[in-house]
Amino acid sequence: NAGVTQTPKFQVLKTGQSMTLQCAQDMNHNSMYWYRQDPGMGLRLIYYSASEGTTDKGEVPNGYNVSRLNKREFSLRLESAAPSQTSVYFCASSTGYGNTIYFGEGSWLTVV
Amino acid sequence: GIQVEQSPPDLILQEGANSTLRCNFSDSVNNLQWFHQNPWGQLINLFYIPSGTKQNGRLSATTVATERYSLLYISSSQTTDSGVYFCAAPNSGNTPLVFGKGTRLSVIA
Repeated sequence: NAGVTQTPKFQVLKTGQSMTLQCAQDMNHNSMYWYRQDPGMGLRLIYYSASEGTTDKGEVPNGYNVSRLNKREFSLRLESAAPSQTSVYFCASSTGYGNTIYFGEGSWLTVV
Repeated sequence: GIQVEQSPPDLILQEGANSTLRCNFSDSVNNLQWFHQNPWGQLINLFYIPSGTKQNGRLSATTVATERYSLLYISSSQTTDSGVYFCAAPNSGNTPLVFGKGTRLSVIA
């Protein structure tokens, strides 16, 4: 049982490059989330998806786009990477907002 | 939106000691969760506890929803308890979780 799987685990980008972080869950969860973690800031919500076909902005959506491809997959895209997007990115899922949330192992992104 | 405040920000313990971590939240909640992030970055859900008390081994948690706080107790701490502990609650009603900034725990042998 893999749970929540994120790829890649590590990535270095140059300023202005684009990339997509992939996330998939095998728990048949309806809701999926992308958070970023910066030192001393806790986890901040970037985008979320209540169910297949819907996406909403979180606290820090600028510079990102998302796609809820199907019930299992929720991708995060950086169209033009900036050094301020250097962070650790976590994908998560839950049955619904009011339920236990499960995290992937994180993706370490450095933009130089 | 909801404010989630955790204290203390840092804590150093001798192995075998007990500790209490606190989480205050600014609004009433129907969902409060505690997480442990280990030194390798992995986030593990410890408790889903909107009210009352739960125990899991050496860890227990209590949420007093009417007074807007939750406590995480760690007894007989071990070096493997080191890491960062987060609490999280929804902004309002049925919305995603907002995280506190965490308590960094270091358990020394």
